[in-house]
Amino acid sequence: QSALTQPPSVSGSPGQSVTISCTGTSSDIGTYNRVSWYQQPPGAAPKLMIYGVSNRPSGVPDRFSGSKSGNTASLTISGLQAEDEADYYCHSYTSSNTYVFGTGTKVIV
Amino acid sequence: EVQLLESGGGLVQPGESLRLSCAASGFSFSDHAMTWVRQAPGKGLEWVSTISNLGRTTLYGDSVRGRFTISRDTSKNTLFLQMTSLTAEDTAVYYCAKCGENCGGLDFWGQGTVVTVSS
Repeated sequence: QSALTQPPSVSGSPGQSVTISCTGTSSDIGTYNRVSWYQQPPGAAPKLMIYGVSNRPSGVPDRFSGSKSGNTASLTISGLQAEDEADYYCHSYTSSNTYVFGTGTKVIV
Repeated sequence: EVQLLESGGGLVQPGESLRLSCAASGFSFSDHAMTWVRQAPGKGLEWVSTISNLGRTTLYGDSVRGRFTISRDTSKNTLFLQMTSLTAEDTAVYYCAKCGENCGGLDFWGQGTVVTVSS
């Protein structure tokens, strides 16, 4: 069960938009909509930002949005703010009846 | 308010065993699947194991299958992870997390408990 592939880092200025990709296979992202995204600031526990590919839990700003095309899921942060600087991980269910996380992306503001 | 409180971490020698616990409150424990996730020092998140709401189905990652056992006690609202044959590669912060609907997302996380395997 290989980790989903994410870029090591993305950067943007305040107010800009950044998009994080998460590439899997037809055995995970390509088939299932159980794709979620997590934000993890340094030294803190992860926080759910997106579930079911594109759904935002209550309390998560609408600047965060998720989508999927083929075997790749994406998280977009619009109107980037300093507080968005953190590590971000994608997560998916797989056809092996397991789950897998992405390699993680550091967002630099 | 949903709360998840892990305990049981510590320093153990290679080959030894350890049992982690996660006390849950603030939600109907028996209605939700639960998951363990770990994070080695300076590394990314790794899915470890998931158990269905009533404990009938258990899933494991390749790196722990056959060594770790997930279980739950619905009468005590507590999740467990029994870990055996520990190696240095099991050194990590272990988080318990609550599954949302259909486990399409892990909607609440504990603060984690540290497991260190070293001689």
